[in-house]
Amino acid sequence: DAGVIQSPRHEVTEMGQEVTLRCKPISGHDYLFWYRQTMMRGLELLIYFNNNVPIDDSGMPEDRFSAKMPNASFSTLKIQPSEPRDSAVYFCASSFRGQGTYEQYFGPGTRLTVT
Amino acid sequence: AQSVAQPEDQVNVAEGNPLTVKCTYSVSGNPYLFWYVQYPNRGLQFLLKYITGDNLVKGSYGFEAEFNKSQTSFHLKKPSALVSDSALYFCAVRAASGNTPLVFGKGTRLSVIA
Repeated sequence: DAGVIQSPRHEVTEMGQEVTLRCKPISGHDYLFWYRQTMMRGLELLIYFNNNVPIDDSGMPEDRFSAKMPNASFSTLKIQPSEPRDSAVYFCASSFRGQGTYEQYFGPGTRLTVT
Repeated sequence: AQSVAQPEDQVNVAEGNPLTVKCTYSVSGNPYLFWYVQYPNRGLQFLLKYITGDNLVKGSYGFEAEFNKSQTSFHLKKPSALVSDSALYFCAVRAASGNTPLVFGKGTRLSVIA
């Protein structure tokens, strides 16, 4: 398996623009997680899905952030409008309940810079 | 509520010396415990986990961790550090029962000096 795939790997955009981050989880995994990592705040869980359904979005910082999972093999995290404080590395991770331990597998991340 | 504490932001160790990265946790019931490593510009990679059984867990790259229930700790150890072990290490926990996701610590940066 190719592992969790994220695109783009790097994104530079101007303040006010819409940003869409994409994630393809490992085939067969039924949980998908979006994280944000910054030096100041560390690793933060933004939202997670189970079987394509959002379970907990309490970590989403504000209404400018939204996430969708239209099917088992694709998810997006959208920021509209983007702000400089959104600059961070965004990780997607997936896991499989059948393992019984919920071990998560992480993608390589998208480094977002908002100028 | 579940929580993880990594009391050290930074650990420095000389190459060849043993290393320890500390982790304590809080969870209702039995825990599942994990260690992940993050190299520069990479995602988090799984190192090892404790689910049940032997309190000493062995993982990738010569790392091991000891589960101590009375002290609610899960410290990461390696007998002889390598420069290539320099990275950011995360401890994570979840309750064995229920469907809650992993809760990660803030991470400890390990620097191994040649």
